[in-house]
Amino acid sequence: AQTVTQSQPEMSVQEAETVTLSCTYDTSESDYYLFWYKQPPSRQMILVIRQEAYKQQNATENRFSVNFQKAAKSFSLKISDSQLGDAAMYFCAYLADNNDMRFGAGTRLTVKP
Amino acid sequence: KAGVTQTPRYLIKTRGQQVTLSCSPISGHRSVSWYQQTPGQGLQFLFEYFSETQRNKGNFPGRFSGRQFSNSRSEMNVSTLELGDSALYLCASSLGLPGNQPQHFGDGTRLSIL
Repeated sequence: AQTVTQSQPEMSVQEAETVTLSCTYDTSESDYYLFWYKQPPSRQMILVIRQEAYKQQNATENRFSVNFQKAAKSFSLKISDSQLGDAAMYFCAYLADNNDMRFGAGTRLTVKP
Repeated sequence: KAGVTQTPRYLIKTRGQQVTLSCSPISGHRSVSWYQQTPGQGLQFLFEYFSETQRNKGNFPGRFSGRQFSNSRSEMNVSTLELGDSALYLCASSLGLPGNQPQHFGDGTRLSIL
């Protein structure tokens, strides 16, 4: 079974600084997708970034980028120039072709002004 | 373009009752997925529908069921409610396969069982 592990229950970053959230996963599949979702207190899940496993190039979306290490089954999220609005729960998620999306337990990110 | 709409936002039920939750996907989206979110278990996949067919189902008992209508709207039903069913139920829609297309989530339905 595929599992997703986020080893950091909580993280804190100073405004304008950079923070990296960790995620590892376990799978025997070769083709799959990885996601980072953000869930602010308003509770709506928002897609931050998406990575296809067959692509070696790390995905980037403005201040958000990933470090995808397929062999190590690692998928970390880097947030640059952190802003107060980045404060939220961040979930790492895995999806294979059977469409059964698995989420990690989440990392609560606090941004200090 | 309107987002994913879930109704109701909040619901209070008692043990043994049954409940139906509704999800209206973004216009044009044909895939709808349901998730249960609890503090203890985190986010867990319930099922996914595409063109009125259930394509995949998570590891939940048969008390949890769903369906999708021809207009892609989806409902989720939980029968014989238990205290442990208290959770935030999230619905997400996408144009096609959730991996190929990004999933857009609704605000969820907060279900409390007394």
